[in-house]
Amino acid sequence: DAKTTQPNSMESNEEEPVHLPCNHSTISGTDYIHWYRQLPSQGPEYVIHGLTSNVNNRMASLAIAEDRKSSTLILHRATLRDAAVYYCILRDSAGGTSYGKLTFGQGTILTVHP
Amino acid sequence: DTGVSQDPRHKITKRGQNVTFRCDPISEHNRLYWYRQTLGQGPEFLTYFQNEAQLEKSRLLSDRFSAERPKGSFSTLEIQRTEQGDSAMYLCASSPRLAGGRNEQFFGPGTRLTVL
Repeated sequence: DAKTTQPNSMESNEEEPVHLPCNHSTISGTDYIHWYRQLPSQGPEYVIHGLTSNVNNRMASLAIAEDRKSSTLILHRATLRDAAVYYCILRDSAGGTSYGKLTFGQGTILTVHP
Repeated sequence: DTGVSQDPRHKITKRGQNVTFRCDPISEHNRLYWYRQTLGQGPEFLTYFQNEAQLEKSRLLSDRFSAERPKGSFSTLEIQRTEQGDSAMYLCASSPRLAGGRNEQFFGPGTRLTVL
């Protein structure tokens, strides 16, 4: 899977929007952009994914740059429960032998202040 | 609870002992993954099963590690002759069989192994 680059940490205040950036300049045309998050003492959980168009779900929004070399995870109103490590991951949809495994980086530690 | 479950949640063992962890995936999921996570790092892929077949093993999985998924249901991960470097969180995830890179993985709570 192609490499992604994320800031080590970010901070936000409760009820404010949070924009978590991810750079993936070597993304291929068949790579999906996935975001997972890991709350303290829990396994990772899926947040959202996209290919080319912006995506929205109940947890977050994903904004994908036109050239697909970067993306931004948007939490519209951060809560204390959103404090977690957020991972941006590229998943190859072209098949082959990747078998869907996830290649995690170090992610972004999000701190939310009350 | 229909999520992924792992047992035990915590395991403390002495160096040289063998340990076995169990993962029960979501029942209709045919894909099962094991990952290992050390403190401050993201999870690292260990191995992958599609039904009962083990189709991929990471180079991280030394000869002391073995995983099985009999009958394509639950899976076990065994570590023989544990070393202090094996101390980590062992995570299991499952996913349904969907085309392409779209399928999400559902993770269990993990088994935290401490080797003394």
